[in-house]
Amino acid sequence: DAGVTQSPTHLIKTRGQQVTLRCSPISGHKSVSWYQQVLGQGPQFIFQYYEKEERGRGNFPDRFSARQFPNYSSELNVNALLLGDSALYLCASSFGPTNQPQHFGDGTRLSIL
Amino acid sequence: QKEVEQNSGPLSVPEGAIASLNCTYSDRGSQSFFWYRQYSGKSPELIMFIYSNGDKEDGRFTAQLNKASQYVSLLIRDSQPSDSATYLCAVNFSIYGQNFVFGPGTRLSVLP
Repeated sequence: DAGVTQSPTHLIKTRGQQVTLRCSPISGHKSVSWYQQVLGQGPQFIFQYYEKEERGRGNFPDRFSARQFPNYSSELNVNALLLGDSALYLCASSFGPTNQPQHFGDGTRLSIL
Repeated sequence: QKEVEQNSGPLSVPEGAIASLNCTYSDRGSQSFFWYRQYSGKSPELIMFIYSNGDKEDGRFTAQLNKASQYVSLLIRDSQPSDSATYLCAVNFSIYGQNFVFGPGTRLSVLP
């Protein structure tokens, strides 16, 4: 069975640009969460969607937005990119909305020049 | 402020020994606790999860939870060089969602 898939794997952007990252959850999983991980730190929660509804939002600026589609896949959008947005962006899926084990995809490594 | 704390290490143990990784968290009401392993340049991989006080064993791994002390630990028995990685403790602080707060991770090195 396929795990969580993310695309693209790597991305290079310049300051001020916009980026869209994509995630397909494990088959049957209805919850998708997004995390940002900078080098040397643990992942930091950005958003969670369950059944197309936002269930949680972390402490990130409004430049970050996300949505979930009827097939439970998800997109994370980041506008007006800053150098500090350079990080590994991780998508995780789970079957239920809370207190469930989450499984991560391989991530998208975003570099801002 | 919801926080998860771990000793950043590195923790070095000889091959075949028991590695003990510790984690404390700030919210007494937290209900679910997770351990992930992350190799350099890779994404986190789920190792264990635990919901109730006590021990939970899976192969060479044992998770221990003490909610009164707000403490969760991971024991790795018969450590192997392939266990060398960063171990992340995660706590779900949300009763409605999956807002996992991760610790900074403990880097484990198993010496042959």
